[in-house]
Amino acid sequence: NAGVTQTPKFRILKIGQSMTLQCTQDMNHNYMYWYRQDPGMGLKLIYYSVGAGITDKGEVPNGYNVSRSTTEDFPLRLELAAPSQTSVYFCASREGTYGYTFGSGTRLTVV
Amino acid sequence: AQRVTQPEKLLSVFKGAPVELKCNYSYSGSPELFWYVQYSRQRLQLLLRHISRESIKGFTADLNKGETSFHLKKPFAQEEDSAMYYCALLPQGGSEKLVFGKGTKLTVNP
Repeated sequence: NAGVTQTPKFRILKIGQSMTLQCTQDMNHNYMYWYRQDPGMGLKLIYYSVGAGITDKGEVPNGYNVSRSTTEDFPLRLELAAPSQTSVYFCASREGTYGYTFGSGTRLTVV
Repeated sequence: AQRVTQPEKLLSVFKGAPVELKCNYSYSGSPELFWYVQYSRQRLQLLLRHISRESIKGFTADLNKGETSFHLKKPFAQEEDSAMYYCALLPQGGSEKLVFGKGTKLTVNP
């Protein structure tokens, strides 16, 4: 049981480049989330999904896009990378009232 | 609106001392409350749920509905407890997402 798997673990992007952060869960959870974590700023919700085919914006969606074609996968797309998107990105999933299961994170640097 | 407040950004104690990480919430209903822990450069892990009333790694947390608090306590801190701690609230009725506090960084000094 792998839980929530994120790839890649690290990535350096140049300004203007694009990339997709992958997130997969094998727990059949309906709810999935993307957060970014900046030093001293806590967690900020980027996008979330309540099930396949349904996504919604969080607090800081600008510059990002998501899709949810299957229950398992919830990729996060950065179209035109900017230095302000340098952060650690966490994916999480949830079912019922148990709380979130987090992935191990992707550390992204935009230069 | 729901809100979770962790008033201490940083907390430093000595090994063997008691530790209390404060969490206050703003919510009119009966929420589910959680504590998450994040060790250095690792993922967030669920530490406690108030509904399960358990003790994990010597930590306990009691929900005080009158004071709308869910403080995390440990009687004797260990160096390996040094980490970032987040309090989180899930509104009743199976709301879509948790509301997180900004976190408290605990340092346990030798």
